[in-house]
Amino acid sequence: EAQVTQNPRYLITVTGKKLTVTCSQNMNHEYMSWYRQDPGLGLRQIYYSMNVEVTDKGDVPEGYKVSRKEKRNFPLILESPSPNQTSLYFCASSLGGTSYEQYFGPGTRLTVT
Amino acid sequence: GESVGLHLPTLSVQEGDNSIINCAYSNSASDYFIWYKQESGKGPQFIIDIRSNMDKRQGQRVTVLLNKTVKHLSLQIAATQPGDSAVYFCAENGMNRDDKIIFGKGTRLHILP
Repeated sequence: EAQVTQNPRYLITVTGKKLTVTCSQNMNHEYMSWYRQDPGLGLRQIYYSMNVEVTDKGDVPEGYKVSRKEKRNFPLILESPSPNQTSLYFCASSLGGTSYEQYFGPGTRLTVT
Repeated sequence: GESVGLHLPTLSVQEGDNSIINCAYSNSASDYFIWYKQESGKGPQFIIDIRSNMDKRQGQRVTVLLNKTVKHLSLQIAATQPGDSAVYFCAENGMNRDDKIIFGKGTRLHILP
């Protein structure tokens, strides 16, 4: 089944404790992206990757890191999480760029206390 | 369910009637527009897209209309069903398909029995 998977689905952590949210797609997509979704603010793009070893900042990259060492994986890293990073995070992928249908993962609910 | 839908504009429609969801976009140079549907507890799901060289595109039970003069996008859903209950987002990106994608805040569609 073609899908985007994220892990973990739910995470409660404390300020400053490094964490990684994994994202994997099995569709051989070139483009992958991370979004955060907050009430009243909609979906905002954090980082995106056009292909392996190519990443770019989205609208809200501060406090996040990403890497794209393999085509299928695009982990989101929070080196020192803070409470304002409490949010719902979505990973998405598409065949090649934002001008193609994006497939979204199921989301990761992160709470930073 | 998730709390991301709080404080959203809500459209209530009788089951079987047609729904029209509107969206104003910001960038007159945007080349590509997409509608997504997000059901409670799930990631956004692609519905339909349209390029700036078109003013109308039809899918199965859905039609997207684009008015570039007033930077307005609409999604029409024919014969609305209970399964159409969701939050609907419009999204846009620029002339270069590498550009970031910008999502609207979303509209909640509520189906009345």
